[in-house]
Amino acid sequence: KAGVTQTPRYLIKTRGQQVTLSCSPISGHRSVSWYQQTPGQGLQFLFEYFSETQRNKGNFPGRFSGRQFSNSRSEMNVSTLELGDSALYLCASSPPFQAHHEQYFGPGTRLTVT
Amino acid sequence: GDSVTQMEGPVTLSEEAFLTINCTYTATGYPSLFWYVQYPGEGLQLLLKATKADDKGSNKGFEATYRKETTSFHLEKGSVQVSDSAVYFCASGSARQLTFGSGTQLTVLP
Repeated sequence: KAGVTQTPRYLIKTRGQQVTLSCSPISGHRSVSWYQQTPGQGLQFLFEYFSETQRNKGNFPGRFSGRQFSNSRSEMNVSTLELGDSALYLCASSPPFQAHHEQYFGPGTRLTVT
Repeated sequence: GDSVTQMEGPVTLSEEAFLTINCTYTATGYPSLFWYVQYPGEGLQLLLKATKADDKGSNKGFEATYRKETTSFHLEKGSVQVSDSAVYFCASGSARQLTFGSGTQLTVLP
């Protein structure tokens, strides 16, 4: 079974621009979560989607948003980019009908803001 | 909210040495606990998990036991290999999200 895929793998943007990252979960997985990984803050939860609904959100400003489509694919958007948004953005999907928060991660999108 | 405290790195060991990476958690309720591993340039791979007290997760020679009384989930391996060199993350799962420790860089020398 194919794993979680994320596109693009690398992105370079300028301050003030916006960016959209894409994630395709493992087939049959309906929950998708997003995390930001930086050297200073480590891994931080952004948000989680299930059946096109955001069920949980981390402590990030409103510039960070996401959505999920009917095929469970998800996108996240960051508007008005800041230098501090440079990070590895990881997407994870979860198997259905499990209550143990087990998540499977994609390879990430490396975003560099200049 | 939940928090996870993980042993500071980096850790450098010789091949075949014994490995322990300490992890403690604070959480309301009873979270599931995980160890993830990250190789350079890659995402996180689920290494092992435990979903209730006294459960032992194991995979590829790594083990960790869910200790509710000490709120710990220490990772151990009896004999490390060069290929185990990576960053290891302890995580607790509740409320549909994972809370991660800061990660421990492990380098195994031949």
